[in-house]
Amino acid sequence: QKEVEQDPGPLSVPEGAIVSLNCTYSNSAFQYFMWYRQYSRKGPELLMYTYSSGNKEDGRFTAQVDKSSKYISLFIRDSQPSDSATYLCAMSAGNQFYFGTGTSLTVIP
Amino acid sequence: DGGITQSPKYLFRKEGQNVTLSCEQNLNHDAMYWYRQDPGQGLRLIYYSQIVNDFQKGDIAEGYSVSREKKESFPLTVTSAQKNPTAFYLCASTPRGPGNTIYFGEGSWLTVV
Repeated sequence: QKEVEQDPGPLSVPEGAIVSLNCTYSNSAFQYFMWYRQYSRKGPELLMYTYSSGNKEDGRFTAQVDKSSKYISLFIRDSQPSDSATYLCAMSAGNQFYFGTGTSLTVIP
Repeated sequence: DGGITQSPKYLFRKEGQNVTLSCEQNLNHDAMYWYRQDPGQGLRLIYYSQIVNDFQKGDIAEGYSVSREKKESFPLTVTSAQKNPTAFYLCASTPRGPGNTIYFGEGSWLTVV
């Protein structure tokens, strides 16, 4: 079983839709959770960073962590064509980082 | 601006040749990492270094070598022993200690023909 599981998609939504991206994990030692956005042929860019369980909001983005279910989510409100990218979840225990395989999102104008 | 600089962005090499990818950071981060990204496989750790003059193998270190002579620099050499070197390579860094997130460079595309 992989440490981190992420549905690869692809996910296609109309402009303005609410997007939900999810990851599950197996290691209860993970305490720090991250979401990255990666455009084609570019390095991943940090979007959200949360510690332990709870919600964090930044503009149109909301990150949720449910440690009891070992489940994290990223919500994108009022999605825009510029949000079209691959989204990677990541989590850490100590100095080691574990990544999902990424979900490809396309927002259609 | 602070960040991680990888060079070159695109590199073509003939099979059997060694190639070195550069990674420089001015974030004053202690730890540096090299990942390989292939379609559908996510990020796989090649090597990482917590401090100068020390580094550890990751999950797919065979056919690769690194050095960490300066805190700012962590070059990766892809040797001729690497069976399938064509890939997107990402350098990353993080401050030492838990609770820190990881930051990435823009990546280097290596094509071996």
